[in-house]
Amino acid sequence: GENVEQHPSTLSVQEGDSAVIKCTYSDSASNYFPWYKQELGKGPQLIIDIRSNVGEKKDQRIAVTLNKTAKHFSLHITETQPEDSAVYFCAAGYYGGATNKLIFGTGTLLAVQP
Amino acid sequence: NAGVTQTPKFQVLKTGQSMTLQCAQDMNHEYMSWYRQDPGMGLRLIHYSVGAGITDQGEVPNGYNVSRSTTEDFPLRLLSAAPSQTSVYFCASSYSWLLPGNEQFFGPGTRLTVL
Repeated sequence: GENVEQHPSTLSVQEGDSAVIKCTYSDSASNYFPWYKQELGKGPQLIIDIRSNVGEKKDQRIAVTLNKTAKHFSLHITETQPEDSAVYFCAAGYYGGATNKLIFGTGTLLAVQP
Repeated sequence: NAGVTQTPKFQVLKTGQSMTLQCAQDMNHEYMSWYRQDPGMGLRLIHYSVGAGITDQGEVPNGYNVSRSTTEDFPLRLLSAAPSQTSVYFCASSYSWLLPGNEQFFGPGTRLTVL
């Protein structure tokens, strides 16, 4: 079945460094790729998303890149801050049809050391 | 707006017991869904609804029932709890699944333990 692989499972960086989280999806029909941040004890919150007709999207310190040919996409966080520490989930989905499908990766625990 | 609310926050059940997890949203969203989150497995879709009176199965529906009698509420029922249903459950809503740029808002979650 469809799946989304996410790496690494844990990532520790020093404050001010960059962090990169990578995901690979299997369903070539996927056309929507959101990233969620989940803080301890809370539900996931959308931080950025990208559609398959776009190769890169940036929002301040956060950027996402998509390689449709290789079926992988990445989250880039620059100038990391302690408040970026959380679990990050990628997801791959299809919108525009009759079937609802959003497959999540297994999550990356990001720790930003002050 | 309160957003998406879930009750209870924590629950302990014995095997075989039944219970209902409550979810409500005050954003007039058409689309609502239930996920379970297990260590090392990300979020998996249990059931979803595209509007009042309409529900459908997700990836892991067995052992769960849902109904959508109003736009605001989307309860999840465990018919006969099993230890394999120990998990954290999240409810989510969005204006519509089919529209671009459609953000899903998640509730704070219910941590369920089945003994």
